[in-house]
Amino acid sequence: KNQVEQSPQSLIILEGKNCTLQCNYTVSPFSNLRWYKQDTGRGPVSLTIMTFSENTKSNGRYTATLDADTKQSSLHITASQLSDSASYICVVSNDYKLSFGAGTTVTVRA
Amino acid sequence: DTEVTQTPKHLVMGMTNKKSLKCEQHMGHRAMYWYKQKAKKPPELMFVYSYEKLSINESVPSRFSPECPNSSLLNLHLHALQPEDSALYLCASSQGTGGKNIQYFGAGTRLSVL
Repeated sequence: KNQVEQSPQSLIILEGKNCTLQCNYTVSPFSNLRWYKQDTGRGPVSLTIMTFSENTKSNGRYTATLDADTKQSSLHITASQLSDSASYICVVSNDYKLSFGAGTTVTVRA
Repeated sequence: DTEVTQTPKHLVMGMTNKKSLKCEQHMGHRAMYWYKQKAKKPPELMFVYSYEKLSINESVPSRFSPECPNSSLLNLHLHALQPEDSALYLCASSQGTGGKNIQYFGAGTRLSVL
């Protein structure tokens, strides 16, 4: 069964600090992995997308890594801002269908 | 323009009402999707349209009826819903239906069934 597991479920960080979110998956065959940011009550917005051959990709203060051998990905947020408070969802594709993780809720406090 | 527009933003309906959710995109995408998302859960796929034809129905109850009038519009008709159908309904679109295509999501319609 294709599964995507994210950790932690939630975290609280102080403004200006860094944090790292984890994503482990068992989706096969693997096509690509995306990280989405979802603000409360809004639709998800794509942050990064990585294919098998890519092991890192950045979008501003967001840096995603991918280890296709261990089937793990991380999303690193640098110098967090209050606007980073959101749910971050890891989505893995097997060419036909997307498998969504449950998300990590990040709360940034001043 | 990478925008997917959903209306209304909020909807409250009784179990005997009939209502419709609307979704519009002008990116020339040929695939459109409906998702249902409960609080603190990931989106669950409901329907996929490809070139205006229904290609996937994830065993959704018949009280949800999708419609794709043209390549830019996607509707979801609601009838005789249950309180457990209360959720955020997300529309998305992508160039094609393969997993390599990035899905762009709308802001969603927050539905409450009383």
